[in-house]
Amino acid sequence: AQTVTQSQPEMSVQEAETVTLSCTYDTSESDYYLFWYKQPPSRQMILVIRQEAYKQQNATENRFSVNFQKAAKSFSLKISDSQLGDAAMYFCAYRRKTGNQFYFGTGTSLTVIP
Amino acid sequence: DTAVSQTPKYLVTQMGNDKSIKCEQNLGHDTMYWYKQDSKKFLKIMFSYNNKELIINETVPNRFSPKSPDKAHLNLHINSLELGDSAVYFCASSLGGVGTDTQYFGPGTRLTVL
Repeated sequence: AQTVTQSQPEMSVQEAETVTLSCTYDTSESDYYLFWYKQPPSRQMILVIRQEAYKQQNATENRFSVNFQKAAKSFSLKISDSQLGDAAMYFCAYRRKTGNQFYFGTGTSLTVIP
Repeated sequence: DTAVSQTPKYLVTQMGNDKSIKCEQNLGHDTMYWYKQDSKKFLKIMFSYNNKELIINETVPNRFSPKSPDKAHLNLHINSLELGDSAVYFCASSLGGVGTDTQYFGPGTRLTVL
């Protein structure tokens, strides 16, 4: 079974600084999808960014970008120019190319310090 | 317009009772899911339906019964509630099938069993 590991239960960053959240996963498949979701105190799960494994180019969404290292099975999220509204739990998720099941990591709680 | 909605948002009930949580999506998606998020924020999939058919059924007590009257709705009924059922329950939907397939989450239902 696929597993997703987020080794940092908590992280903090100064406002306007950059922070990187780590995620590793275990799979024997060559094609799959990876996601980062944000869960603010409101509990809503919000998609931040997604990456297709067959694309070598790292996905970018405004201040959010990923460092996708397929050989190392690593998918880290970089948040640039951190804002107070970025404070949330961040979940990394893996999805096989076929089938409908997502596998989530245990989350990283990000605190943004004013 | 709300994409994935759940009712109720909060549910407080006594042990032994039977309760239902409703979920509706207006995205035209074929696949819907139920997740349980425990006090440690761990997200665990419970069920997934594709076009009203059950496709994922993780190891969940049979007190939990999903019902999908049509592909836009996936309700969760829980019999004989126990203290350990206290959690936040998330409904989600996705287009289904192959391809980059993002899950869209509902706002969650916080269930407290007393």
